Formats: sequence, C-alpha cells, structure tokens
Amino acid sequence: KQEVTQIPAALSVPEGENLVLNCSFTDSAIYNLQWFRQDPGKGLTSLLLIQSSQREQTSGRLNASLDKSSGRSTLYIAASQPGDSATYLCAVRGDNNNDMRFGAGTRLTVKP
Amino acid sequence: EPEVTQTPSHQVTQMGQEVILRCVPISNHLYFYWYRQILGQKVEFLVSFYNNEISEKSEIFDDQFSVERPDGSNFTLKIRSTKLEDSAMYFCASRTGLTGANVLTFGAGSRLTVL
Repeated sequence: KQEVTQIPAALSVPEGENLVLNCSFTDSAIYNLQWFRQDPGKGLTSLLLIQSSQREQTSGRLNASLDKSSGRSTLYIAASQPGDSATYLCAVRGDNNNDMRFGAGTRLTVKP
Repeated sequence: EPEVTQTPSHQVTQMGQEVILRCVPISNHLYFYWYRQILGQKVEFLVSFYNNEISEKSEIFDDQFSVERPDGSNFTLKIRSTKLEDSAMYFCASRTGLTGANVLTFGAGSRLTVL
C-alpha cells in the first residue's frame, strides 16, 4: 500500500527566502505526482503535476522535481511571499489504480 | 476557468440521518472522485467512478456510502445513516482521463457536521 510522507510538517520562514518542501513515497510504481495548496478551511488548488516520465515541472516561482526511483519529490518555492502561507500537499497516483494518495502536508508560514 | 462545484458548502445533521452531497464535475471530465478530510488529518480517498460505475473504493467506503451520477452532470455521495465520525470536509474531484492531461481538479468541499 502506497504511503506518502511529507517533511517537515510545519515550516516558518521570513519573506524572500527560497525554500524546499519534501515528499517521499514508498511505492515507486507511480503514474504521476501532484502538488496542491490548501488554505485553511478551503479546498485544494492544483499547483503542479509531474508525469512519471518527467523529472520536473515549473510554474512561476514554483519548481517541482521527481526522482521516481528513490521515491522522492521536492517543491521549491523561490522568493517566498506572505501570500504563499498555506498547507502544501503532495499526492501520488499509482500505476495500477485511479486514486491519489495524499501526504499529511507541510504547513508553511511566510512572515513579512 | 472550469470548476468543480459542490453543494452544500456546509451541512449540519443529526446522527442517523441520511445526507446527500452534490457535485458538478467539469463537463468534459470522465473520472470522478470523492475524498474526505477529517479536521487536522490527511485527505483520504473514498471512491472513484468511471463509465457509470465504481472503479475503486477504499476501506472507508462501506455499505453506508453510495455514489450516483443520476443525470449525466451531477455526481452525488450519499451517506445513509450518519455517524459522529462522518464529520469531515468532503471533496469532489474530477479529471479528463486523457494521457498527459490528468490534473485532478478539486471542488471547494462540503463540510459535514454530525451532531
């Protein structure tokens, strides 16, 4: 059974810092991996999706990488802003199923 | 931008009552999902639906739960007899199913409170 772990559970940084969020998964037979953002009490907003054949995806200040063989993904946020404060979730879809398995998230606080 | 729409945004019900949560997926999407998130916990998969039938379900999705796509647009989750532990945020999601364009898009959620 796929297990997804996110480290750290919480992170607080000053505005302007570059930061890295980590995601690891136990079964490397994945179809894709998706990073989401969740604001308190709200739904999930998709940030980036990486197919299993890809190594990274970029969108604005966000860059997500994937190392399938080692079961790891990172989300890099450049020049962080207070508006980036949210919980960031990593989710993995396996090769042989339709559903996505989520990590518990990293709660990011960017201080002005 | 196309959205997944969920209603109601918040429902309060008494234990033992039936609840129906509604979702309108994005119109050209083929795969539909329900997830739930108990306060402070992980987002958990409940069920996936494709071609008018359940394709996968988790151990959480027991006989108290059912899903339907009654009219080709709405996708509903029914909980027959709610329990206190069913209190959670329920998210509907959908995706196209096309290779390379499989972003899973979530709705804003329906918060269910069982008293």
